Amino acid sequence: GAVVSQHPSRVICKSGTSVKIECRSLDFQATTMFWYRQFPKQSLMLMATSNEGSKATYEQGVEKDKFLINHASLTLSTLTVTSAHPEDSSFYICSANRPELGNTIYFGEGSWLTVV
Amino acid sequence: GESVGLHLPTLSVQEGDNSIINCAYSNSASDYFIWYKQESGKGPQFIIDIRSNMDKRQGQRVTVLLNKTVKHLSLQIAATQPGDSAVYFCAENTGTSYGKLTFGQGTILTVHP
Repeated sequence: GAVVSQHPSRVICKSGTSVKIECRSLDFQATTMFWYRQFPKQSLMLMATSNEGSKATYEQGVEKDKFLINHASLTLSTLTVTSAHPEDSSFYICSANRPELGNTIYFGEGSWLTVV
Repeated sequence: GESVGLHLPTLSVQEGDNSIINCAYSNSASDYFIWYKQESGKGPQFIIDIRSNMDKRQGQRVTVLLNKTVKHLSLQIAATQPGDSAVYFCAENTGTSYGKLTFGQGTILTVHP
């Protein structure tokens, strides 16, 4: 079964609104989670590193005020796309590594965001 | 910046053949590499990994080879099956903590019955 779960799997929102995507580690604690974005027929691009109890670390070119990341507990990180535009439509994927299992990296099933 | 790339964007094989997917990386400091399979609309699925202190690792029907001299990584799939059809990505672990991955561009593998 899934080790890292994302919700929702698909979401449609109107331009200018905000949408939140959740990433949960189901049976382990993840002090660090990662958010990736994948446009159709392209590779995954790291957006940010989500750190429990502290600020996220964003990759160059990723707007921190637009992509708000909150890692309020050891099993949950959220990505909020604020003031969404059609160009934000993408596949958003999170991952977490499990230190007690040799740092095995688990990916969520992804969340499709469509901004209309 | 440094990146991971793939030589071939598409690969078509017949069922039962062996498949080889290649990947070039440029960050000589990377010490951990992973191959992922991604089916349409789904998240990446772990296939096999290798650390930089190894040059070969085998799994079930898959083998990963690492050549640090030329910074090359390959994934070999034995007796390829139609269910193996997917996009395959190599990824290298960057940064000082595990999990921060840089992905290659991906190779589309199509297996014909």
